[in-house]
Amino acid sequence: QSALTQPASVSGSPGQSITISCTGTSSDVGSYNLVSWYQQHPGKAPKLMIYEVSKRPSGVSNRFSGSKSGNTASLTISGLQAEDEADYYCCSYAGSSTLVVFGGGTKLTVL
Amino acid sequence: QVQLQESGPGLVKPSQTLSLTCTVSGGSISSGSYYWSWIRQPAGKGLEWIGRIYTSGSTNYNPSLKSRVTISVDTSKNQFSLKLSSVTAADTAVYYCARAPRRVGGPFDYWGQGTLVTVSS
Repeated sequence: QSALTQPASVSGSPGQSITISCTGTSSDVGSYNLVSWYQQHPGKAPKLMIYEVSKRPSGVSNRFSGSKSGNTASLTISGLQAEDEADYYCCSYAGSSTLVVFGGGTKLTVL
Repeated sequence: QVQLQESGPGLVKPSQTLSLTCTVSGGSISSGSYYWSWIRQPAGKGLEWIGRIYTSGSTNYNPSLKSRVTISVDTSKNQFSLKLSSVTAADTAVYYCARAPRRVGGPFDYWGQGTLVTVSS
């Protein structure tokens, strides 16, 4: 069982927007603005899409955005494209003892 | 452009020790600006952080694996390594090495392609 809770799957049509939630606790997501999101296509390594809740690395489309409220972080993808179909994982800093926790992953299907 | 590449046996017998190496190219592991981590992913499942090392040799481990994990660094070869002892079938997974900036909660910005390790007799 993963430390952070994500929906198993979400779906959307091309051009639409979707949001993936990531629920943690006051020991991780709720206490630090240190949530990151990763995109993983089948058979590939994860790719960093969002860090520190809402920052985008260079080269990542501005269709990807992140936010946080309380113990829940969210990833929003706007203007869905076929290439966005992938698994998405959230990750949070969890304090000096545990350090890193991941979510269980969400499979995004572009209909 | 930094690149990371995992290497090691793809098959390990139960109760033995899994050993993997990550070779870093395009940057020095001794730069002092990054942590170097191991992360694994069982087939069809999520990611699990195993642990990390800094160029000084200082390590941090996932509490759930700490008793079985050793991560070491060889700066002369620009490599860091993972040893996981007393493996069982539950340790079968794709193992990734990854880099994170040396700051609290730094994200994993570069990853290796991953290597599948199967635990089976």
